[in-house]
Amino acid sequence: GIQVEQSPPDLILQEGANSTLRCNFSDSVNNLQWFHQNPWGQLINLFYIPSGTKQNGRLSATTVATERYSLLYISSSQTTDSGVYFCAVVRGNTPLVFGKGTRLSVIA
Amino acid sequence: DAGVIQSPRHEVTEMGQEVTLRCKPISGHNSLFWYRQTMMRGLELLIYFNNNVPIDDSGMPEDRFSAKMPNASFSTLKIQPSEPRDSAVYFCASRRQGAANEKLFFGSGTQLSVL
Repeated sequence: GIQVEQSPPDLILQEGANSTLRCNFSDSVNNLQWFHQNPWGQLINLFYIPSGTKQNGRLSATTVATERYSLLYISSSQTTDSGVYFCAVVRGNTPLVFGKGTRLSVIA
Repeated sequence: DAGVIQSPRHEVTEMGQEVTLRCKPISGHNSLFWYRQTMMRGLELLIYFNNNVPIDDSGMPEDRFSAKMPNASFSTLKIQPSEPRDSAVYFCASRRQGAANEKLFFGSGTQLSVL
């Protein structure tokens, strides 16, 4: 099946810093989503982005489908951005396959 | 919309007992997924349904696990008998299969502890 690799596995940032999270996938996909799992365990859908670029406030995401990667940018990070960020992909008509996530800690 | 609703939020039970987790998907969504999350294995897909029909249950770990979706607005995941290694957070998620923007939405999860 398709493989999803996320990097880095862990990231510690000072409040106000910017960061880039990466998601590589092993085959062509028709669906890619980014999720944030907050410290209380809730999984929130951030972006549906099979290709191109989207922005939502301080977050933006870019997927280059032909090169099989996606990037999640967090600007001016805040402590509330802490948690685990997951990338998940779909190939064909199958369920989402999740990466192992990037654990982000933003310290004041 | 109320989102995906799961119950209970927390369940503590003793080994050997039956456990039933419940899920109400978002209205209008026709695909439903059950995931399990542990520190060791991350997010694992257990089973998913399209239009109330189980499509792939290859992720169900053992025959002790079973899932049903009797109608479009309700699903259950049952563990009988439960074991300590079943302790995990169980998530239900739903999406509208075939829509242009097939975002997946998760419930708040059920934290299961089997003693």
